[in-house]
Amino acid sequence: EAGVTQFPSHSVIEKGQTVTLRCDPISGHDNLYWYRRVMGKEIKFLLHFVKESKQDESGMPNNRFLAERTGGTYSTLKVQPAELEDSGVYFCASSQTPGYGYTFGSGTRLTVV
Amino acid sequence: GNSVTQMEGPVTLSEEAFLTINCTYTATGYPSLFWYVQYPGEGLQLLLKATKADDKGSNKGFEATYRKETTSFHLEKGSVQVSDSAVYFCALSKQGGSEKLVFGKGTKLTVNP
Repeated sequence: EAGVTQFPSHSVIEKGQTVTLRCDPISGHDNLYWYRRVMGKEIKFLLHFVKESKQDESGMPNNRFLAERTGGTYSTLKVQPAELEDSGVYFCASSQTPGYGYTFGSGTRLTVV
Repeated sequence: GNSVTQMEGPVTLSEEAFLTINCTYTATGYPSLFWYVQYPGEGLQLLLKATKADDKGSNKGFEATYRKETTSFHLEKGSVQVSDSAVYFCALSKQGGSEKLVFGKGTKLTVNP
């Protein structure tokens, strides 16, 4: 089966611009997660979708971040406007049964300059 | 709150050396424990997991035992190979709810021939 696909793999944008990251989960996986690793720090949870509904968005850092999952398939994470501290690697993961391991994508490396 | 502490490294070993990467956790109740690995240029992959006390997870020659009395989940391998060079992340998740992962900072392992 195809894995979790994320694109772009890299994005370099200027402070104040908008960037949209996309994640295509494994087909049939209702659970979709976004995580972020800022340089030198832990990978941190951002939010969790069950189908198209946000189950838990407690990790979203502020209202510059907007995640959507229309139709319960792919998800987008928009950062608007981007700030320097948003730089990092954004990971998406999906699972059929939470708690027993997820399948992660390769991540999107975002650099805000 | 829940947290994971792991030795930060970097760790450099010669091929066939013994590997231990320490991981301790703080959590209420009985979390599930995981080791994820990120090979260069790839996404996170589940290496092994344990869901209850005294469980031993194992995969690809790696092992870790869920020790509730010491709140630890140390990763071990008896004889590392160059191909084991990667970043290793210890993580936990609480059962129920979003079952989001809480990660340690990661340990970079380099194995030299």
